[in-house]
Amino acid sequence: DAGVTQSPTHLIKTRGQHVTLRCSPISGHKSVSWYQQVLGQGPQFIFQYYEKEERGRGNFPDRFSARQFPNYSSELNVNALLLGDSALYLCASSLEYGWRVQETQYFGPGTRLLVL
Amino acid sequence: RKEVEQDPGPFNVPEGATVAFNCTYSNSASQSFFWYRQDCRKEPKLLMSVYSSGNEDGRFTAQLNRASQYISLLIRDSKLSDSATYLCVENLNTDKLIFGTGTRLQVFP
Repeated sequence: DAGVTQSPTHLIKTRGQHVTLRCSPISGHKSVSWYQQVLGQGPQFIFQYYEKEERGRGNFPDRFSARQFPNYSSELNVNALLLGDSALYLCASSLEYGWRVQETQYFGPGTRLLVL
Repeated sequence: RKEVEQDPGPFNVPEGATVAFNCTYSNSASQSFFWYRQDCRKEPKLLMSVYSSGNEDGRFTAQLNRASQYISLLIRDSKLSDSATYLCVENLNTDKLIFGTGTRLQVFP
């Protein structure tokens, strides 16, 4: 079975531009979360979606938005890119949301974004 | 204070050594914890879940101390392939994972 897939794998943008990152969860998984990982740091939670609804949001500005589609895939959008948005963006999928405290999240390979 | 704190290392150990990492967390209400392993320029992969009674999987043992709010990971008989960054993770019961900065392990021959 395929794991979590993300596209594109790498992306180079300039300040002020907009970017859309895509994620397909593991088949049967209904929850998708997005994380930002800056070099030398652990991943930071951005959003969680379950059944197309936002269930959680991290401490990120409104330039960051996301959505989940009926097939459970998801997009992360970032507007007005800043140099500090350069990072590895990780998508994680899990079977359900929040009902079981030990729900495992499986990560995709990430999209490496460089903002110049 | 960070929610999850880890010693960034690096820990440089010879093959066959036993190495232990500790991680402290600030939210006493957190119910579950994990250790993820991350290789250079790769995604995090689940290594172990951490239960209140401790958890052992082969050469790896994870333990939780709620009174002192720390979790630990013990790796016995280190292999070269264990070289990676080990991320301590707290689950706030909403599937929002809180990651530490990671502890880098380098095993040398």
